[in-house]
Parts: sequence; structure tokens; C-alpha cells
Amino acid sequence: AQRVTQPEKLLSVFKGAPVELKCNYSYSGSPELFWYVQYSRQRLQLLLRHISRESIKGFTADLNKGETSFHLKKPFAQEEDSAMYYCALSGSSSNTGKLIFGQGTTLQVKP
Amino acid sequence: DVKVTQSSRYLVKRTGEKVFLECVQDMDHENMFWYRQDPGLGLRLIYFSYDVKMKEKGDIPEGYSVSREKKERFSLILESASTNQTSMYLCASSWMTGSGGYTFGSGTRLTVV
Repeated sequence: AQRVTQPEKLLSVFKGAPVELKCNYSYSGSPELFWYVQYSRQRLQLLLRHISRESIKGFTADLNKGETSFHLKKPFAQEEDSAMYYCALSGSSSNTGKLIFGQGTTLQVKP
Repeated sequence: DVKVTQSSRYLVKRTGEKVFLECVQDMDHENMFWYRQDPGLGLRLIYFSYDVKMKEKGDIPEGYSVSREKKERFSLILESASTNQTSMYLCASSWMTGSGGYTFGSGTRLTVV
């Protein structure tokens, strides 16, 4: 079964500290993985996707098929990074574009 | 610049009422989705549609139905609202394969009393 697990409900760091939001997935094929972010009182929006291998707002994420992980990292957290982050999975066998989301992690960056 | 519009930001309904949540997208996307968002549970898929008049159940379809008569509009219907359907409801759309990611609406906060 396809599943996405974000083990931390809340991650609290100080400004300037490194951040790593964990995401593990369960999928037997070749997954497509995404990170979405929801800032306070804003709509959920795409942050990055593994196929584009891009860095957005200083965040990066590497797909590790051996560990079935897609952790989101940033070397120096900023207060404006405080938000809810969701990891999501789309299976390659799916032609419907359906995403499965994790439970979400709230990132709190303290001044 | 808004691309996915949900008709109501806040709704308060009584138990047993029939409730309609509307979603419209202007990007000509094939796929449309309805999720509910609850703290600690993440986003759970209720229903999705990959074409006009086509629909598929998601993970939690019980107590809900959907309608997609036009490509741009996807409605979620609560046949008889119950208090456990109090939640944030999110609509999203995407291209057929989903590889471009979803575009979300701003959500409807539904309270059933």
C-alpha cells in the first residue's frame, strides 16, 4: 500500500539553525515526491518536487530510494519559514495524478 | 490571479442539512480533487475526478458525493451533514498525470452544529 509518514508533528528550531523535516514513504514502484507548504492564513502551495531537483527558498530535498525517504532540508532557518509542511507521493503507475499526503509537520522558527 | 476558487471561506450548517461546497478552476485541468484537512491527520482524499462526469472514491468517501458536470467545476455534497464532518475542506486541480503538482483553493471551513 502507498503511504507517506512524517514522524514529527512539530519541529521547533532557532533562527539560523539547520532544518530537516523528515518524510518516509512506502511504494513498490518509482514514486514521484513533492513537498507542499501552507503559511499562516494562506492556501497550500507546491514547494518543490523531486523530479525537478530544484532549490526553492533555500530548501532542498533528495530522494533516497534505499531508505525510502525524501527529507526536506535547509541549512539556515528563517522566521518566515514557519509554516505547515506536507510531504506527498504520486505513484508512477497512476495516470490519475492522485497524491497521497503525510500527516504534516509544523515548523516553528524562533527568533 | 486566483486559479482555484472555493465559493465559501466559512460555513456553518445544522446537523442533517444537505451541504454543497463548490470549486471552480480556470486552468483547464483535467483532474480535480476534494480533500479534508484535520490536525494530526493531514490531508485525506474524499473524491476525485479525472474527466467530466467521471468520479472515483478516495480514502474517506462515506457521507459524501460529488458532481462534475463541467470541466471547470467540481462540487462536493454532504448528503446529511453530521458533526464529525466539521473540518477544513480543500479543493485542488492538476493536469492529468499530476506531475506539475496540484493547485489548491483557499479552503472552506465547515462547522456542523
